[in-house]
Amino acid sequence: GAGVSQSPSNKVTEKGKDVELRCDPISGHTALYWYRQSLGQGLEFLIYFQGNSAPDKSGLPSDRFSAERTGGSVSTLTIQRTQQEDSAVYLCASSPSPTGELFFGEGSRLTVL
Amino acid sequence: AQSVTQLGSHVSVSEGALVLLRCNYSSSVPPYLFWYVQYPNQGLQLLLKYTSAATLVKGINGFEAEFKKSETSFHLTKPSAHMSDAAEYFCAVNNQGGKLIFGQGTELSVKP
Repeated sequence: GAGVSQSPSNKVTEKGKDVELRCDPISGHTALYWYRQSLGQGLEFLIYFQGNSAPDKSGLPSDRFSAERTGGSVSTLTIQRTQQEDSAVYLCASSPSPTGELFFGEGSRLTVL
Repeated sequence: AQSVTQLGSHVSVSEGALVLLRCNYSSSVPPYLFWYVQYPNQGLQLLLKYTSAATLVKGINGFEAEFKKSETSFHLTKPSAHMSDAAEYFCAVNNQGGKLIFGQGTELSVKP
């Protein structure tokens, strides 16, 4: 595909359930980011993968959140025991270099009831 | 650690008027600075990027930004606003290979 692909585009879940959000970055991009966008909250950094380096997890809000990137490509963001405050749009972005332009996906909108 | 502050969560201008969106950053090393735009119901896209080559950076759609080290600022301007400029604008800073941190965003409204 030409761009960053995220799935699902919309997810409605019940409080306490686990969810997985997937991101397919642009082929060859070494950097991959996850952000969370809530109304009026801007883009909150969650996690950053760069090549084979250990990811920067400093933005993950709690231990219920985790992410992995397999084979330097696809990434999955997992939220365990979801809470209502987890409701937001989760954005994935990739970049060809650590200081390059970010290319964003359309986002996964998560609603926790 | 780097951080970004965007002054004014909402800015309203008349069509044809000057657009000025303010961004101040903090960084322990010479930063890379970015402006991204998010049009209604669309994804984020790059407007322009500063990488130390020139302090005045020109971007798409007539926007430009000036890097001022002494003021730790990277304000975004456009001489004449157009209705199609209505969007949310995000300033971001990267510490030379580290994570990219975004500001809270400024929503620009353009009045006819």
